[in-house]
This record gives sequence, C-alpha cells and structure tokens, in this order.
Amino acid sequence: GAGVSQSPRYKVAKRGQDVALRCDPISGHVSLFWYQQALGQGPEFLTYFQNEAQLDKSGLPSDRFFAERPEGSVSTLKIQRTQQEDSAVYLCASKRWTSGSSYNEQFFGPGTRLTVL
Amino acid sequence: DAKTTQPTSMDCAEGRAANLPCNHSTISGNEYVYWYRQIHSQGPQYIIHGLKNNETNEMASLIITEDRKSSTLILPHATLRDTAVYYCIVRVVSGNTPLVFGKGTRLSVIA
Repeated sequence: GAGVSQSPRYKVAKRGQDVALRCDPISGHVSLFWYQQALGQGPEFLTYFQNEAQLDKSGLPSDRFFAERPEGSVSTLKIQRTQQEDSAVYLCASKRWTSGSSYNEQFFGPGTRLTVL
Repeated sequence: DAKTTQPTSMDCAEGRAANLPCNHSTISGNEYVYWYRQIHSQGPQYIIHGLKNNETNEMASLIITEDRKSSTLILPHATLRDTAVYYCIVRVVSGNTPLVFGKGTRLSVIA
C-alpha cells in the first residue's frame, strides 16, 4: 500500500504498563508528525521529525512520552507508565519535503486507539 | 490554540450542496486557509487550501472573503460518504509546521 500505516490499530493497557506505537510513513517522506486525539476533540501536535532528527517535541505532555525515528523511516511513540488520561487515538502523519511551496499536505495514518484501564 | 471558529454540527440532504463556514478574523497576511476532513475511524484527509483567491478541485470549492476573515468550503453534491468532521485551519507556508486543529464541524449527510 502507498499510505501511512500504523500498528497496532487498537491497544488496551493496564495503568502503569509501557506501550509502543509504530508508524510506517509513506516511502521517501522526510517529515513525520505525531498527534494525539482525545475523544470529541481535534488532533493535537505531539512531536515532529525531519529524517531521523527530532526537531520539535514541544507537544509531548510529559517525560513519560518518548518518540524515535532512528533510521529516518519507521517511527515509534513510546509511553511509559501509562495513565488513564493517556487514553486517546494517536495519529501519525508524513509529508514529503517541500521548500517555499504552499502545497503542504500531510498524509495521515488511521491511528492507534489506546485505552488505559 | 486554533485560530478558527466553526459551527459544531451541520446537516445536509444527499445530493445538495454542503456549505461549511469558517471564521478566521485574526488571519495574518502570510497565512493560508486549509481544510481537512476526518471520516469516522480514519485519519484526517486534506481537501483544499487557498490564500485569497477562490479555489476548486475535484473534491470541493473554497470561497475566501475579500477581507480574508472568513471562508466557506463547498461540497457541490454531498453524498453519504461525505459525512465527517471538517476542520478549517489557518497556517503559514513553512515547510514543516504542525497542523493546529480546532474541534471542527461535524457534517451529517442525510439520505
């Protein structure tokens, strides 16, 4: 498939467990974003990668959240010691490199729905 | 925080035009208006964007007022598959800034 894929699609964790969410961006896309979407809300930015470099992590809500993209392709969002307030859909988006262009489309994956009990 | 205001929900009869409004009274001169939509259990999908001229593509039309303080997304012949949450976003043209979503408008297309 040519789209962004995420796995797992659904994850149930007990409070205090660690979880890892995977994102496979579109091949060749340089930029990768993670967003968190609470029920009934719009997505909120978590962090951004350009290739393997994490250039912006200002949206990560706590130091329990950690993201990596070691080879500049697949990315993993890790949440340590999960809490109930972490329950949300986690969306990944990728984008090809553009410079000086208004065309700035991000392609989103289907998301991972995390439920913390 | 989102710089846009949209109605919470709207209904539209199948086959009719759906007109979704968006207010962005504090938009800056270098900011574009983008529209995305999110169908249930899917990630957001890009629809269209514009600066100050009206734009049209195969999915929709975007009408931006002359003062750029508001815009309307038009789906000319809504189908049941257009039922989704529609997000209006204003942002500068900078390669890799994140999208700032509000709560959007939940459009229900009714048969």
